[in-house]
Amino acid sequence: QSALTQPASVSGSPEQSITISCTGTSSDVGSYNFVSWYQQYPGKAPKLMIYEVSKRPSGVSNRFSGSKSGNTASLTISGLQAEDEADYYCCSFADGSTPYGFGTGTKVTVL
Amino acid sequence: QVQLVQSGAEVKKPGASVKVSCKASGYTFTDYYIHWVRQAPGQGLEWMGWINPNSGATHYAQNFQGRVTMTGDTSISTAYMELTSLTSDDAAVYYCAREGEDSGTYLKAFDYWGQGTLVAVSS
Repeated sequence: QSALTQPASVSGSPEQSITISCTGTSSDVGSYNFVSWYQQYPGKAPKLMIYEVSKRPSGVSNRFSGSKSGNTASLTISGLQAEDEADYYCCSFADGSTPYGFGTGTKVTVL
Repeated sequence: QVQLVQSGAEVKKPGASVKVSCKASGYTFTDYYIHWVRQAPGQGLEWMGWINPNSGATHYAQNFQGRVTMTGDTSISTAYMELTSLTSDDAAVYYCAREGEDSGTYLKAFDYWGQGTLVAVSS
C-alpha cells in the first residue's frame, strides 16, 4: 500500500481556517470510513484528533473537523491558533496485507 | 489514566536485533489491541503491525514480515516488539499505540501512544 498523499505544508494567519487534504485510493480512503487524523509536535508522540472520518475524541477542540469525499479525506482547522502549529498525519484502514497506511504528513504553519 | 510507557533508547549494530517494551496501565490490557508504528528521523509514520493481547494473535505489515515479532505478557500488562536483522534503515523512533474502542466497536484509530523509543543502528 502506498502512502496517502498530503500537501507538504499549509499555512494560515491566526483566526483563519485551513484545510489539509489526504488522497488515497478506492482500496483505502474510498472504501472505508476509518480515516483518522493525528497531530504531532516535534519530539512528541502523535495525538488522535479525528477518528472515523469526522468524530472528535473527548477533549479535542471543536475547531478541528473532518470530512471525506470519494478517495480524499480532509481535516479543517478553523480559528487557527499558534498552538495548532504542528505536523498532521492522516491514516486509513485499507484492503490488503497491510491494513493501515499513514499519509505523507503536512506541516502547518501559523503566520 | 491510561498510560503506555516504553523502554529506553537502544543502540544496535547492523545485523543485530532489538526488543522494545510497552507497559500499559490505567485500563484492562487484554481489552485493547496494541499497534506498533515507527518514524525515521525527519520522516513520516509507518505502521508495523498489531497484537491482540487477549489471544496473542498478530498481524504484521508486509514490509516487516519475517523480521518482526510482537508478543504480550498479560501478567505484567506489557507488549513487546522485536525487530531482527537491523540495518541503518531501521533507525527510528518506535511507538506503541492503543487502538481505541467505542461501545464495543474497535475504532481502527490509535487513541493513546507511548512516548516512543529511539533505536539507533550504527557499527
